[in-house]
Formats: sequence, C-alpha cells, structure tokens
Amino acid sequence: QSALTQPASVSGSPGQSITISCAGTSSDVGSYDLVSWYQQHPGKVPKLMIYEVAKRPSGISSRFSASKSGNTASLTISGLQAEDEADYYCCSYAGSSTWVFGGGTKLTVL
Amino acid sequence: EVQLVESGGGLVQPGGSLRLSCAASGFTFSNYEMNWVRQAPGKGLEWVSYISSSGSTMYYGDSVKGRFTISRDNAKNSLYLQMSSLRAEDTAVYYCARQPGEFHFDSWGLGTLVTVSS
Repeated sequence: QSALTQPASVSGSPGQSITISCAGTSSDVGSYDLVSWYQQHPGKVPKLMIYEVAKRPSGISSRFSASKSGNTASLTISGLQAEDEADYYCCSYAGSSTWVFGGGTKLTVL
Repeated sequence: EVQLVESGGGLVQPGGSLRLSCAASGFTFSNYEMNWVRQAPGKGLEWVSYISSSGSTMYYGDSVKGRFTISRDNAKNSLYLQMSSLRAEDTAVYYCARQPGEFHFDSWGLGTLVTVSS
C-alpha cells in the first residue's frame, strides 16, 4: 500500500489551466477505473471533486476535469480562480476494499 | 443533510488505547459502507479502515492492521474505531467517511484529533 505519487506543488495564474498528475501502479490506478480526487482547503474537511476517474458529483464546477492513462491519473482545473487554491489529493481503489491516497499537491493561484 | 460527527480523540501515551466514535445522521446509516481516514499534522490523507454496511466485513491499512478494530452499531447510527498499541506515528486527525455504495468517499466528518505522546 504505497502512496500514489503527486507533485508537491503546482501554480497558475487566474484564468489559466493547470494539471495535477497522480502516478500509481498496475495494482491500483492501472487496475481500476476508480480514481477519485479531493480538495482540501486549510483547516477544512476534504471534499469530493471527481470520482470513477472522470465523473463530477452534483454541484462541482465543470472547470474540474480528470482522466487516466495506464498507471497515471490527472486532474485538470481550467479557468483558475482564487478559490481553487487548496490541497488536492488523488485516491485509488486498490482491491479488497482498500484504498491508497496520493501525497497531496498544493495548488497556488498566483 | 448528511452529518458525521467524530468524538473520542485526545492525548494518549504510547502503547495506550483509545476508542473513536462517529455519530451519523441525515441518511440511512445501515445502507452505507463506512471508512476511517486519517491525516497526520501537516501531512496527507491516509486510508485506515473499511467496514461493510452490515458490519460483517472489515479491512485495514497495513500500518494499523492488528492494532485497530473498526465496528459499527446500525441501531445507534454509529461507527467506531478501537485503537490499541498506539504509536507516535498514529498522531493524526481521524475522519469518518461515507462510501456511497461505490468506491469513493462522498461525505466526511470534521475529524477528531488523536495525539500519541508521553
């Protein structure tokens, strides 16, 4: 159960697009289309942004999109806004009702 | 409105035990699988444990296997985490998280802080 690999930080200017990668293995990301993404503002609770690789829960902006290729998943945020500044975590199902999270990526909106 | 409220955290000495609770409301608790996820201070999220809706099946992360026990009481709409042989590295905010019949976590509690220190 090794953590998925995410960049420690990414940044972008308002209006730009950024992409956060999430590298796993053939035992987790590569085996299941069950990657989810969570947003966490400082001192707040994680919030589900994406599930099953690319699906958005009700109420989540279409500016958030995601995909997966092989053992790597990606989250893209377009039209960056100041409120998007937060930590983002990917998470993959790893079989037998176990999950593995990424180390998290701090998004800074310049 | 879905509400998950954790309690039971606190300061405990290494080797000690603690029982966390999560009170659920606003949904039919017995229909949902539940999980515990933790976050060490300044660190990322770590999945800890899963329990099926009936309570008959449980799974654990490698770092807590053999030391933590997850359970639930559907009559009381409550989830529990019994933690024993606690170590400094178990220091974290512990969140209960609802799993909506699929493979992600759609609702989270505010968390309860567990500090393991002498």
